[in-house]
Amino acid sequence: QSVLTQPPSVSAAPGQKVTISCSGGSSNIENNYVSWYQQLPGTAPKLLIYDNNERPSGIPDRFSGSKSGTSAILGITGLQTGDEADYYCGTWDSSLSAGVFGTGTKVTVL
Amino acid sequence: EVQLLESGGGLVHPGGSLRLSCAASGFTFNNYAMTWVRQAPGKGLEWVSVISGSGGTTYYADAVKGRFTISRDNSKNTLYLQMNSLRAEDTAVYYCAKDRTIFGVGDYWGQGSLVTVSS
Repeated sequence: QSVLTQPPSVSAAPGQKVTISCSGGSSNIENNYVSWYQQLPGTAPKLLIYDNNERPSGIPDRFSGSKSGTSAILGITGLQTGDEADYYCGTWDSSLSAGVFGTGTKVTVL
Repeated sequence: EVQLLESGGGLVHPGGSLRLSCAASGFTFNNYAMTWVRQAPGKGLEWVSVISGSGGTTYYADAVKGRFTISRDNSKNTLYLQMNSLRAEDTAVYYCAKDRTIFGVGDYWGQGSLVTVSS
């Protein structure tokens, strides 16, 4: 079972905003950098956010990340049909000495 | 352009072995940690193992510890995952990924290689 907890699904109309939470603990989120990934159907995960709130080149500023304590949040504004995908948070767990991922969240554009 | 190409997947019987490879190009391979992540059919991502750029440091998930071995050949720009004593629950798409640090979980991922463990 995943160490990091995400809501199973979120949805909103085109143009609206969604937020996805990622809840963990002191051994992972609180003391390590968080990354966020987008996985379109049938494809490999793609990095959206690294180091809690940094975007790789080519990722639009509609995607944002934040972290507070043992939780992290991914925000998507101006929702588009192409944003329909599964989203995962990930980080290092210092107690496990292992990487950990969230349970995943499916974003649906209504 | 960064490219990561996994190979070596396939069908194997329970208890069998398989070695995955990940050929890297487009970046200075030995400057990056490399990670294996797997995804069982219809399930979420599961971190498997990571190796430092030099190959001197490795970490494993408890689920594979003692059965899987991660290694790399920096002269060939290739990452490996030797999988022994395979179980049905190891059935998954296996992705390799690069990262700036051994404590990351991947900043660029390959397309994956399917491993099916079944009798």
